[in-house]
Amino acid sequence: SQTIHQWPATLVQPVGSPLSLECTVEGTSNPNLYWYRQAAGRGLQLLFYSVGIGQISSEVPQNLSASRPQDRQFILSSKKLLLSDSGFYLCAWSPRLAARETQYFGPGTRLLVL
Amino acid sequence: AQKITQTQPGMFVQEKEAVTLDCTYDTSDPSYGLFWYKQPSSGEMIFLIYQGSYDQQNATEGRYSLNFQKARKSANLVISASQLGDSAMYFCAMREGLTGAGSYQLTFGKGTKLSVIP
Repeated sequence: SQTIHQWPATLVQPVGSPLSLECTVEGTSNPNLYWYRQAAGRGLQLLFYSVGIGQISSEVPQNLSASRPQDRQFILSSKKLLLSDSGFYLCAWSPRLAARETQYFGPGTRLLVL
Repeated sequence: AQKITQTQPGMFVQEKEAVTLDCTYDTSDPSYGLFWYKQPSSGEMIFLIYQGSYDQQNATEGRYSLNFQKARKSANLVISASQLGDSAMYFCAMREGLTGAGSYQLTFGKGTKLSVIP
């Protein structure tokens, strides 16, 4: 069965510091991968998605970037964090070209920028 | 205009009773998919049920069913025989466009917080 991992689970970072959040998927090949952000008490906002190694699409211009160095690894980064980057970050995967392309989510990372 | 509208910020239901969570959507695309997710306090988004725009029958998954009314653009989630563990946020989401044709974005509603009362 497929599993998706995210780490760290919780992170407290000062403004201006760098960020690296990692997401890995097991039990599947060639998945579509996604990064979402959820502000407190709100729905999810898609930040980036990837359909293959090195292929990244950005949905929202921002202080963040994403990379996919391996088929099942997706990394969210920032060179300098802003207060507004605080939130709950969720990684998701979906099977490529499946009938539904249901997205399955990881456990998330809570980021607090102080 | 919002693409996904969930008008109930919070709902209460008695244990073992059924509850309906409302969702209306807005799209001009003939091909789309509708999803419901559950988010417990731990934060993880758990996929519950899917309905495709061309599906003839309402989707069902165990105690979850989706009341799909295409003409009214509504996709309400029905939870039967509520359990204490059903207390969580519930999000309706939509994917527009053909599968695999670059339509990767899920648009989420703002969610409904369901509380199950013993």
